[in-house]
Amino acid sequence: NAGVTQTPKFRILKIGQSMTLQCAQDMNHNYMYWYRQDPGMGLKLIYYSVGAGITDKGEVPNGYNVSRSTTEDFPLRLELAAPSQTSVYFCASRPTRKAYEQYFGPGTRLTVT
Amino acid sequence: DAKTTQPNSMESNEEEPVHLPCNHSTISGTDYIHWYRQLPSQGPEYVIHGLTSNVNNRMASLAIAEDRKSSTLILHRATLRDAAVYYCIPPIYNQGGKLIFGQGTELSVKP
Repeated sequence: NAGVTQTPKFRILKIGQSMTLQCAQDMNHNYMYWYRQDPGMGLKLIYYSVGAGITDKGEVPNGYNVSRSTTEDFPLRLELAAPSQTSVYFCASRPTRKAYEQYFGPGTRLTVT
Repeated sequence: DAKTTQPNSMESNEEEPVHLPCNHSTISGTDYIHWYRQLPSQGPEYVIHGLTSNVNNRMASLAIAEDRKSSTLILHRATLRDAAVYYCIPPIYNQGGKLIFGQGTELSVKP
């Protein structure tokens, strides 16, 4: 199993550009999450999904959109990038809501200038 | 929601045991405590979880106080690879079971 994979690893965007961060998992997990981590801080939840076709906002959803058309994929869309979105983005998955272990991808480091 | 408190940083020498404390005085009687760690430039990874009694796995041990208001993650013999930020995480069942990451304890290990 590859686990949770994320692409790209690094990206530099100009202000106002858009991009999609890709996330895929091959563990057939229902629950998937997007977190962002600013320097020296803990992770904050952007969006989550409890299954294909079902998504909901987390703590910091403004400026982002998600979709979940399949169990495996959970892309995060940034529209009109702003410097405040400079961060490291982590995708995660778990099989059920109360499962003990949440599996994280390696992260995407995004810089908006 | 339950909250946790951890020291910002700790130091250890290689090959020595490390005890990482966490206070979680507001946790309810049926809530598990989870520990994750984040190695430099990597995503967080699960370490261990527990409810009432001490727990062991291949990575660490978790000692939970009898009143459940605190717990201690124990690394029996710290290695350089254990240098990471360690997060004590209370259970959250809303928002899809998200993990609440505070600032954690940054552990440095000296050779």
